[in-house]
Amino acid sequence: NAGVTQTPKFRILKIGQSMTLQCTQDMNHNYMYWYRQDPGMGLKLIYYSVGAGITDKGEVPNGYNVSRSTTEDFPLRLELAAPSQTSVYFCASSYSAGATGQFFGPGTRLTVL
Amino acid sequence: GNSVTQMEGPVTLSEEAFLTINCTYTATGYPSLFWYVQYPGEGLQLLLKATKADDKGSNKGFEATYRKETTSFHLEKGSVQVSDSAVYFCALSGQGAQKLVFGQGTRLTINP
Repeated sequence: NAGVTQTPKFRILKIGQSMTLQCTQDMNHNYMYWYRQDPGMGLKLIYYSVGAGITDKGEVPNGYNVSRSTTEDFPLRLELAAPSQTSVYFCASSYSAGATGQFFGPGTRLTVL
Repeated sequence: GNSVTQMEGPVTLSEEAFLTINCTYTATGYPSLFWYVQYPGEGLQLLLKATKADDKGSNKGFEATYRKETTSFHLEKGSVQVSDSAVYFCALSGQGAQKLVFGQGTRLTINP
């Protein structure tokens, strides 16, 4: 049981490049989330999904896109990378909303130069 | 809207000291409350939770009690170890809400 897995662990992008951060969970959770964590800061929600085919914006969605074609996968797409997107990105999942808490992946550290 | 305010860090203690990290919240209704821990280079792990007033969450020697009258969920541990060094996040999930709201995190360092 791997939980929430993320790839890659590290990536360096040039300004204007694009990439997809992968997230997969094997717990059959309906809810999935993408956060970014800037140095010394808390987590900010980028996008979330309540089930396959359903996504919604969080606090900081600009510059990102998501899709949810299966229960297991929730990729995050960065188009036209900018230095402001340098951050650590965490994917999380939960069985339901509210009281169950979320399970987090190990994170992807992204640097945009 | 819902919000969480945590004790400012960083916090530095000696091994076997008593730990308190304060957390207060603003929310309507009856939110669920959580403490997460983030060890260096890792993702967040759920440490404990409480889903109704007066509930006490506990795990690995840590405890927190859901106090509705003071809108607080302070994290405590009686005797900390070097291995407890990490960043601790308080969070809430509003009643019926789909998202967590996180505090800014408190960095804890325990010296031997």
